[in-house]
Amino acid sequence: AQKVTQAQTEISVVEKEDVTLDCVYETRDTTYYLFWYKQPPSGELVFLIRRNSFDEQNEISGRYSWNFQKSTSSFNFTITASQVVDSAVYFCALSEALGFQKLVFGTGTRLLVSP
Amino acid sequence: DVKVTQSSRYLVKRTGEKVFLECVQDMDHENMFWYRQDPGLGLRLIYFSYDVKMKEKGDIPEGYSVSREKKERFSLILESASTNQTSMYLCASRITAGWEKLFFGSGTQLSVL
Repeated sequence: AQKVTQAQTEISVVEKEDVTLDCVYETRDTTYYLFWYKQPPSGELVFLIRRNSFDEQNEISGRYSWNFQKSTSSFNFTITASQVVDSAVYFCALSEALGFQKLVFGTGTRLLVSP
Repeated sequence: DVKVTQSSRYLVKRTGEKVFLECVQDMDHENMFWYRQDPGLGLRLIYFSYDVKMKEKGDIPEGYSVSREKKERFSLILESASTNQTSMYLCASRITAGWEKLFFGSGTQLSVL
């Protein structure tokens, strides 16, 4: 069965600090997809990034970067020079590539960025 | 942009009532999902539908049923609401495959008294 673990329940940082959100996953599939979503205070989840299991290349998008390591089953998310607008709940998720391909989420990490 | 609309932002119901939560998407997506979100538990999948009239149980289907008579509409039904079903309910849709991203509605906060 699939499982996603986000061990950090809540992280508090001061603006301009770097912060890393951890995500560890479990799956028996060799092909799968990983995602990060952001849930701002307004409530609507917003897609940030996806990765397939064959692509371990790290990705950078502005202040955001993602580190995918199959050897440790991790897909960590780093925000560089955090800003108050980054305050949100961040969810990591895993989808199978076969069958019904349902998407399973972790429990989320609440990030609080103070000025 | 894809829009996923949930009919109510806040809903208050009594124990034992039959409750309908409606979700409509406007981009011809095949897959639709219902999740509930509770503090400390993240998003848990209740039901999903991969096509019209097709449905599959998620991880916590007990006490819920769903209906998908038309492609754009996916309804979550609480046959007899109970207090432990007080939660935030999120609807989502995607084109079809597991690779595709989900588009979410803004949620319905249901309180069962």
